[in-house]
Amino acid sequence: DAGVIQSPRHEVTEMGQEVTLRCKPISGHDYLFWYRQTMMRGLELLIYFNNNVPIDDSGMPEDRFSAKMPNASFSTLKIQPSEPRDSAVYFCASSRNESPTQYFGPGTRLTVL
Amino acid sequence: GEDVEQSLFLSVREGDSSVINCTYTDSSSTYLYWYKQEPGAGLQLLTYIFSNMDMKQDQRLTVLLNKKDKHLSLRIADTQTGDSAIYFCAEPLGSDYKLSFGAGTTVTVRA
Repeated sequence: DAGVIQSPRHEVTEMGQEVTLRCKPISGHDYLFWYRQTMMRGLELLIYFNNNVPIDDSGMPEDRFSAKMPNASFSTLKIQPSEPRDSAVYFCASSRNESPTQYFGPGTRLTVL
Repeated sequence: GEDVEQSLFLSVREGDSSVINCTYTDSSSTYLYWYKQEPGAGLQLLTYIFSNMDMKQDQRLTVLLNKKDKHLSLRIADTQTGDSAIYFCAEPLGSDYKLSFGAGTTVTVRA
C-alpha cells in the first residue's frame, strides 16, 4: 500500500488567499483525521471523519477552516481566507474500524506570508 | 492531569541506551502508542502495547507499561544517530478512536 498521501507537500501563499490541502487515506480505512502541528501548540486534532461523515470538528480553529470528505478515498482541508498564524504543518492520518492505530501522511508545510 | 505528559528533551551518547518516559491519563486505555517523527517528516508508528501486557520487546525497542502508575516508557538499546527524532506517546481518547498525543520528546544522539 502507498500509505496516506497528502498534497501539496509545501504551500506558500499570501495572506487572504484560499488554501486547499488534500489527503488520500489508506484504502480500506474508515477513519480520517486532520492534525496541525506547530512549535508553540504541538500536535492538535482539527477534525475527524468516520465513513466519510464528520464526527468531531471541535478542534477546528474558526470558521475560516472547513473540511470535506466526499468519498472514502479523498478529503480536503480548506482555509479561506488564510492568515500568517495558520502557518504550520498539516497532517492527515487514517485508521481502520478494528483498531485505533493511526497512520500518518508526510504532511503539508503551509507558509502564509 | 488531563494531558499525556512527556519530558521535552533527552540527550544520549551514541551506543548508550535511551529511556523516554510518558504519563498517560486513562487507566482503561486498551492500546498505548509510541510514534517517531524525523526532521521534516510525518509521524511514523514505532510500536504499541496492549494494556494487558507489562512489556513488549521488538529488536532494540523495549516498551514497559505500569498501569498502576499510568506510566509508559520506551527504551532504545544501542542508540544510533538515526534514532535522533521526536518521540510521541499517545493513548486513545475513550472509545471514539481519537488519539491524545504528548508534546513529544526530542532525542538528540551525540557522538
